[in-house]
Amino acid sequence: ETGVTQSPTHLIKTRGQQVTLRCSSQSGHNTVSWYQQALGQGPQFIFQYYREEENGRGNFPPRFSGLQFPNYSSELNVNALELDDSALYLCASSPAWEDEKLFFGSGTQLSVL
Amino acid sequence: DQQVKQNSPSLSVQEGRISILNCDYTNSMFDYFLWYKKYPAEGPTFLISISSIKDKNEDGRFTVFLNKSAKHLSLHIVPSQPGDSAVYFCAASRPGAGSYQLTFGKGTKLSVIP
Repeated sequence: ETGVTQSPTHLIKTRGQQVTLRCSSQSGHNTVSWYQQALGQGPQFIFQYYREEENGRGNFPPRFSGLQFPNYSSELNVNALELDDSALYLCASSPAWEDEKLFFGSGTQLSVL
Repeated sequence: DQQVKQNSPSLSVQEGRISILNCDYTNSMFDYFLWYKKYPAEGPTFLISISSIKDKNEDGRFTVFLNKSAKHLSLHIVPSQPGDSAVYFCAASRPGAGSYQLTFGKGTKLSVIP
């Protein structure tokens, strides 16, 4: 059974650029969530996708957007990057029958210069 | 405003002794609580959870206690082992959120000394 995989593991961008982060869900999981973890903080909910539709969003501006594909993989897109977007971005998947137990990937460390 | 608070950034415990990690919350709508463990360079891993209708849940060496009136929960690890050294996050969710959104604390770094 393959776990949640994220790519890339590290990324450096400059302010104003756009970035796309990718996530492959664990086999059999149809729900995917994205979290942002700033240094010294706990993960903060960005949004969740179920059956290719966004079904919940945290307190993040519209320049944070996402997609979920038919194979349940997902992308997180961030436009007009700001310095404060520097963080670890975590993807998590869960099966529909047990969606409180999130299975996290190792994350993508994004640095915005 | 931090709705889930872990006031101890770090904790050191001798191997074989009990580790107690604490968590407080402010939102009375939270009805499900979870603990996640995180090793460096890895994503958080689910450890144990508790529903608000219970006051205790046990899984092997790990026990979570919930005191709803005090809005407080704790994770007990007995006996503590060096492999338990990690950052522990407390998380909470509330019903009717439309999706499963977890609110996390800032974490407590546990060091178990051999």
